[in-house]
Amino acid sequence: GAVVSQHPSWVICKSGTSVKIECRSLDFQATTMFWYRQFPKQSLMLMATSNEGSKATYEQGVEKDKFLINHASLTLSTLTVTSAHPEDSSFYICSARGDGGGQPQHFGDGTRLSIL
Amino acid sequence: GENVEQHPSTLSVQEGDSAVIKCTYSDSASNYFPWYKQELGKRPQLIIDIRSNVGEKKDQRIAVTLNKTAKHFSLHITETQPEDSAVYFCAAQANAGKSTFGDGTTLTVKP
Repeated sequence: GAVVSQHPSWVICKSGTSVKIECRSLDFQATTMFWYRQFPKQSLMLMATSNEGSKATYEQGVEKDKFLINHASLTLSTLTVTSAHPEDSSFYICSARGDGGGQPQHFGDGTRLSIL
Repeated sequence: GENVEQHPSTLSVQEGDSAVIKCTYSDSASNYFPWYKQELGKRPQLIIDIRSNVGEKKDQRIAVTLNKTAKHFSLHITETQPEDSAVYFCAAQANAGKSTFGDGTTLTVKP
């Protein structure tokens, strides 16, 4: 159980393009979803926390107009990187968590984004 | 906010030896401490977790200990195998809040 599907797994696109990444919880209701960015050999950097039906909470230094997050249902959250530039190239991972405290996060497989 | 420190950043052991990774946290409200394993190019996966109402939890070769007074918790892997080689992350979480992750430990198990 507790499977999280993330798509696409790999994206290459031109500078200025907007890219949408989907994160779905397949067999449980994800009250909260998290979006992370991970650089090679580094830790998970939390970008934002989203709760179903409400606006995402962004971490300090993360541009909310650059990284649009929508959590429209209990099973789907999307991250849109708007007008992407080479410096946005990274590995983006989502995770989902059920309701209540003391619950583990279940991670997607990640999306490797390369902006040319 | 919460601050989690993880040590060591790299750890190399011989197959069959034990490995210990330690984490400290700052927020006394944290009450849930998961450990994740991330193999190269793959997703982090939960391997064990502990809640603040217990001091130790074991699952086969993996164990976690928690010292609430000192605000530190540790991961213990016994009889290490090459497939244990990965990056391990500790995390601390208060109730339904977000998890704060450590910087990770790269474990290498030499055959």
